[in-house]
Amino acid sequence: SQQGEEDPQALSIQEGENATMNCSYKTSINNLQWYRQNSGRGLVHLILIRSNEREKHSGRLRVTLDTSKKSSSLLITASRAADTASYFCATNPSSYGKLTFGQGTILTVHP
Amino acid sequence: DAGVIQSPRHEVTEMGQEVTLRCKPISGHDYLFWYRQTMMRGLELLIYFNNNVPIDDSGMPEDRFSAKMPNASFSTLKIQPSEPRDSAVYFCASSQTGGNRGYTFGSGTRLTVV
Repeated sequence: SQQGEEDPQALSIQEGENATMNCSYKTSINNLQWYRQNSGRGLVHLILIRSNEREKHSGRLRVTLDTSKKSSSLLITASRAADTASYFCATNPSSYGKLTFGQGTILTVHP
Repeated sequence: DAGVIQSPRHEVTEMGQEVTLRCKPISGHDYLFWYRQTMMRGLELLIYFNNNVPIDDSGMPEDRFSAKMPNASFSTLKIQPSEPRDSAVYFCASSQTGGNRGYTFGSGTRLTVV
């Protein structure tokens, strides 16, 4: 079953623009994570935000979490062609154990 | 560390044959997960282990699927007999209790059952 639902399903932008992806989930969480998957490759962990955190930064990535709305967003600033990939949010109901992934957002950054 | 290592990268087999997928997790990680990815169903958790013990196998689709973890450095996912609907990319991932680095995924095994 898919806990997280990403929006939009696909996003196409020009290099240098910002990309924002959203994730909604249904049940309570301990943490929420974002992953990137390049075509034909495994998923790569980008960032983890805990339920008691509201915002987190990592380089050009900014993640927000609103537990009252059960939603999160991933912002990629000053996008590059190399950012072209699928992006997934994943929720974890505890501090350990299994993640449940959403369907992902396909991001295309045009040079 | 070489990361999570999966083999084979690609597997093409005929319906009814046995398929064995292999995974070597990152040394020191105490959790190991098997996921399946398809266009229709996305990423599905099949089974996960903690300290080599299966914790939750509720995602295993049916009795044709089995998974083992005989030691901390090796796990297998077996499908017997295989069917065309098993065609997918199978990922192994590992993680460490309390870690902030999430899961580390392998490169996956692309399975095609004809």
